[in-house]
Amino acid sequence: EIVLTQSPATLSLSPGERATLSCRASQSIISYLAWYQQKPGQAPRLLLYDTSNRATGIPARFSGSGSGTDFTLTITSLEPEDAAVYYCQQRANWPRTFGQGTKLEMK
Amino acid sequence: QVQLVQSGAEVKKPGSSVKVSCKASGGTFSSYTISWVRQAPGQGLEWMGRIIPILGIANYAQKFQGRVTITADKSTSTAYMELSSLRSEDTAVYYCASSVTVNWYFDLWGRGTLVTVSS
Repeated sequence: EIVLTQSPATLSLSPGERATLSCRASQSIISYLAWYQQKPGQAPRLLLYDTSNRATGIPARFSGSGSGTDFTLTITSLEPEDAAVYYCQQRANWPRTFGQGTKLEMK
Repeated sequence: QVQLVQSGAEVKKPGSSVKVSCKASGGTFSSYTISWVRQAPGQGLEWMGRIIPILGIANYAQKFQGRVTITADKSTSTAYMELSSLRSEDTAVYYCASSVTVNWYFDLWGRGTLVTVSS
């Protein structure tokens, strides 16, 4: 199965700053990667799919890049409500797998 | 607007089984695949398996093979996930999720069902 490794585990930033989250795959997943946001007590929400396509209603400050094995989620100009855990997920192979998550904290 | 409505929390004994339901309302159920994803307390997300209701075909993560059964009832637009031989490590929130407007990814989620396994 494809293992996704996210870094850092925790990121602590201030509103207005830029967040860069990384996801590395154990083998090439081409561009078949999604990013989800999960807040406490809530189900995950799809942010980006196929690396860089924003899901419905997702603000433009969320963007994604990468291909092959290395991917990045960038959140420009952080808002307080961006505090959450972010997961990457691949759909290149079965079983679908998720990264272990990056917790974004707001200072 | 399609929604996924899950059944309520369960408390089960080790060795028993649990069956969680996920009812799709407001959409054409058979058009979607339904996956089950679980999340142990304080942990990440784990995909368990999925079903294609229109075909009745399911596939599972190897980790759960033999212990999990995912079914769907098209007449009631409901998917089910049954997990057997429960152990304490199965304590988790179980989500159903679907790909409604975005193929292959999970853009619609249920609110989750907490399953607690405790003696």
